[in-house]
Amino acid sequence: EPEVTQTPSHQVTQMGQEVILRCVPISNHLYFYWYRQILGQKVEFLVSFYNNEISEKSEIFDDQFSVERPDGSNFTLKIRSTKLEDSAMYFCASSDQGRSNYGYTFGSGTRLTVV
Amino acid sequence: DAKTTQPTSMDCAEGRAANLPCNHSTISGNEYVYWYRQIHSQGPQYIIHGLKNNETNEMASLIITEDRKSSTLILPHATLRDTAVYYCIVSHNTDKLIFGTGTRLQVFP
Repeated sequence: EPEVTQTPSHQVTQMGQEVILRCVPISNHLYFYWYRQILGQKVEFLVSFYNNEISEKSEIFDDQFSVERPDGSNFTLKIRSTKLEDSAMYFCASSDQGRSNYGYTFGSGTRLTVV
Repeated sequence: DAKTTQPTSMDCAEGRAANLPCNHSTISGNEYVYWYRQIHSQGPQYIIHGLKNNETNEMASLIITEDRKSSTLILPHATLRDTAVYYCIVSHNTDKLIFGTGTRLQVFP
């Protein structure tokens, strides 16, 4: 079964620093997503990305956040100036719009800790 | 907000079938019913999805009522490793997934 790969698995950063979370979606998928989960809370949608542009974003995804597909394989989430409340698990997902039997596939996540 | 209602928690004995219900009374005609699960803080894992017909795969079965207002996920022989939070989500297959609080399934020996 194909996988979505996320790196690093754990990132510790100081408040105010920039972080980049990396994801390698499944190769033939065209839709990419970022979600986050604060400890003990629900999985929250951040942003969806298709055809090299953002197709939808949530209220959480403010000007501090950006996404990029710098090459044909990577999909990144950048947080420009991290805050304590950005501490969470960040999950990347990709989808082929239902053409396979796997639905949306999620990565194993990056645990971001802002100190 | 999530468009589904699920019980907060359920228990199931190991080896028995786990039947997880979900209500989605406002589902629209072209929305799918997806089931995912999350073990500890791992990434959500896809289980199964369906539109109208019942579906079965190697992990589970999905029973959707004829009016599509509710569904049941069936794990036929639950194991301890099936202990997780199970999410029922309705969505178009081109749309984002909105997670609710899910059902915490505890499988006991």
